[in-house]
Amino acid sequence: NAGVTQTPKFQVLKTGQSMTLQCAQDMNHEYMSWYRQDPGMGLRLIHYSVGAGITDQGEVPNGYNVSRSTTEDFPLRLLSAAPSQTSVYFCASSYSSTNTEAFFGQGTRLTVV
Amino acid sequence: SQQGEEDPQALSIQEGENATMNCSYKTSINNLQWYRQNSGRGLVHLILIRSNEREKHSGRLRVTLDTSKKSSSLLITASRAADTASYFCATGDNAGNMLTFGGGTRLMVKP
Repeated sequence: NAGVTQTPKFQVLKTGQSMTLQCAQDMNHEYMSWYRQDPGMGLRLIHYSVGAGITDQGEVPNGYNVSRSTTEDFPLRLLSAAPSQTSVYFCASSYSSTNTEAFFGQGTRLTVV
Repeated sequence: SQQGEEDPQALSIQEGENATMNCSYKTSINNLQWYRQNSGRGLVHLILIRSNEREKHSGRLRVTLDTSKKSSSLLITASRAADTASYFCATGDNAGNMLTFGGGTRLMVKP
């Protein structure tokens, strides 16, 4: 049982480049979310999904796109990378939105230069 | 914006001592959860306490919740060097929104 798998673990981008952070879960969870973690800021919600075909914005959605074509996968796209998007990104999944524990991936450390 | 705020931001203790971390939040909640994050790793769920519960135990962990004060505490008893990590509280509401996390407490347990 792999849980939540994120790829890549590390990435360096140049300003203006685009890329997709991958997230896959094998627990058949309906709820998936993306957070970014910056020093001293805790985790801030970027986008989330309550099921295949349904996505919504979180607290800091600007500069990011998501889609949910299957229950298992929830990729996060950076459209035009900016230095302010340098952060550690975590994908999480859960059986419900907030009433059960969330399972987190190992994170993607992204640096935009 | 962050819903939960942990206090203290950093805590350093000796192995065998107890560690207490506090979390305050602003709005009505359905439940409050505590997570641990080892350096460079993802978050791992520790315990969930619902709004109608006042105290919960799991092994060496004890969590209390005071909804009148909008606060929670996490007590780790007989700490070990392996408990060195960051600890986050997260709140869940009744509106179906996703978890909201605080800034975390960095705990260092010295051997």
